[in-house]
Formats: sequence, structure tokens, C-alpha cells
Amino acid sequence: GAVVSQHPSRVICKSGTSVKIECRSLDFQATTMFWYRQFPKQSLMLMATSNEGSKATYEQGVEKDKFLINHASLTLSTLTVTSAHPEDSSFYICSASDRGPSQPQHFGDGTRLSIL
Amino acid sequence: GQQVMQIPQYQHVQEGEDFTTYCNSSTTLSNIQWYKQRPGGHPVFLIQLVKSGEVKKQKRLTFQFGEAKKNSSLHITATQTTDVGTYFCAGPPNNNDMRFGAGTRLTVKP
Repeated sequence: GAVVSQHPSRVICKSGTSVKIECRSLDFQATTMFWYRQFPKQSLMLMATSNEGSKATYEQGVEKDKFLINHASLTLSTLTVTSAHPEDSSFYICSASDRGPSQPQHFGDGTRLSIL
Repeated sequence: GQQVMQIPQYQHVQEGEDFTTYCNSSTTLSNIQWYKQRPGGHPVFLIQLVKSGEVKKQKRLTFQFGEAKKNSSLHITATQTTDVGTYFCAGPPNNNDMRFGAGTRLTVKP
């Protein structure tokens, strides 16, 4: 149980393109979803926390107009990287919890984004 | 703000040797969680500790939560090549948030 599906797994696109990443909880209701960014061989950097039906809470330094997060249902959250540039290239991972933000998280497989 | 510090950053061991990673928080945590991320993979939840002084075991892995609920450790006995990966601790500074440690990357030489 507790499976989180994240798509796409890899994206390569030109600078200026907007990219949408989907995160779905397949067998549970995710009251809270998280979006992380991870650079090679580094830790998880929390970008934002989203609760179903409400606006996402962004971490300091993360541009909310650049990284649009929508958590429209208890099983789906999306992250849109708007007008992506090469510096946005990274590994983006979502996670979900059915017991609140302070409880164990279940992670998706991640999306490797490469902006040319 | 609340931080979760984790050491060491890297650990390279010979297969069969033991391994320990340590996690410290500047504030008391309601619980501590441990995750493992294999190379090229995503973090996978291992265990959650809630009680002061709690010790839990999963085969060769032993997890401890300190008496003050500010520190935790993960100890692996007789490492195997399948133990390779990065181990993260995570703790909530409040009920609405979670902070991950920087992780300890374990490599095992056969």
C-alpha cells in the first residue's frame, strides 16, 4: 500500500517552456503533499507543502509564481515550472501523507528535468 | 529556525563492518522518521519512533530515539552491499511541517 505515482519521470525541453509534473496517491487519500528539489548527491530541499483545497505554503526563497502548485483533490497535486530556464534543471520529487505533514511520507519516483 | 543535523555526510565501509548515522535536532521532536534512498531512486520510509528512549529493530538495523527526543541514531550491523544508499532522518518542528537531515551516504566495499 501507500503508492505514489509521479509523472513524467524525465523531461527534456527548451528554455522558456512550461513543464507540468503530476503526483498521484494511488491507494490512499493524501491530505498533505510535498514538493522537493534534489541536486546530485545532496539532500532533499523542501519547496512547498500543499493541503487539498488550499493554497500551497512555499519555503523561503522559492518563487510561487515560478513554481505553481495545485492540490485540487485528495489524490492529485501538480507542480508547474513556468518559463523554465537551465538553472531550473534538477530532480523534483513529490511525497504524500495521509496522516498530516508531521507524519511519514510516501515518495514518488521523481522527475528529472533538463532544460536546454 | 528548527534544524535537523545529520552526521556523518559520507561513510565508506568494508562489507561486514558496522555503520551508524546520527541525527540531532535543536528542538524537541514529536517523532523521528528514517528514510533510505538507493542510488537513482526515491526515498523510502523505513520507520517512525515516537516515544522517549524508544528502540526499534528491523533485522540488522537498530533505530534509537533519545531520552530528550532531540537525537536519534540508525545502526546497521554487518553491512551488506544491499545497504548502499543515503539514509535520511526527518523530524517535525511542529504539526504542520517536516525537516529532513542532510543525509548520510553509505558505500560498501565488497
